[in-house]
Amino acid sequence: NAGVTQTPKFQVLKTGQSMTLQCAQDMNHEYMSWYRQDPGMGLRLIHYSVGAGITDQGEVPNGYNVSRSTTEDFPLRLLSAAPSQTSVYFCASSLGWEPSYNEQFFGPGTRLTVL
Amino acid sequence: EDKVVQSPLSLVVHEGDTVTLNCSYEVTNFRSLLWYKQEKKAPTFLFMLTSSGIEKKSGRLSSILDKKELFSILNITATQTGDSAVYLCAVDTNAGKSTFGDGTTLTVKP
Repeated sequence: NAGVTQTPKFQVLKTGQSMTLQCAQDMNHEYMSWYRQDPGMGLRLIHYSVGAGITDQGEVPNGYNVSRSTTEDFPLRLLSAAPSQTSVYFCASSLGWEPSYNEQFFGPGTRLTVL
Repeated sequence: EDKVVQSPLSLVVHEGDTVTLNCSYEVTNFRSLLWYKQEKKAPTFLFMLTSSGIEKKSGRLSSILDKKELFSILNITATQTGDSAVYLCAVDTNAGKSTFGDGTTLTVKP
């Protein structure tokens, strides 16, 4: 199993540009999520999905869109990049959201810089 | 608003010392509390706690949850330089959301 994969590893954008961060998992996990981590801080939940076709907002959803058309993929779209979105982005997945299943497996992260 | 507070923010110890990391929380519809270790890359899972008073152990690491006082501790005994990392506490709710604390940065000196 490749686990959770994310592309790209690094990205530099100009203010106003849009882009999609890709996330895929091959563990047949139902639950997937996106976090951002700013320097010296913990992870903040952007969006999450409890299964294909279902998404919901987390703590900091503004400026981001997600969709979940398949179990495997959960892309994160930045609509119009702003310097405040400079961060490291982590995608994670878990088998489900039952208490015995919600250990999350994290991807390697995407370091995004917005100029 | 759900809230998770970790203390201390940072800690420097010498090899062989024992450390205790703290995590307190205020959330609606608590489901579980999880500890992760982050070493300059993605977090990796350590423990999941759902019931009060039941200690989880893995080698030199152990953790316990107090659902009445709304906190958890992570203990590391006989610390090694390889334990140097950021330790993250997260609380999951029945709504499907995870709230993370800001982490405790542990540095273990030889």
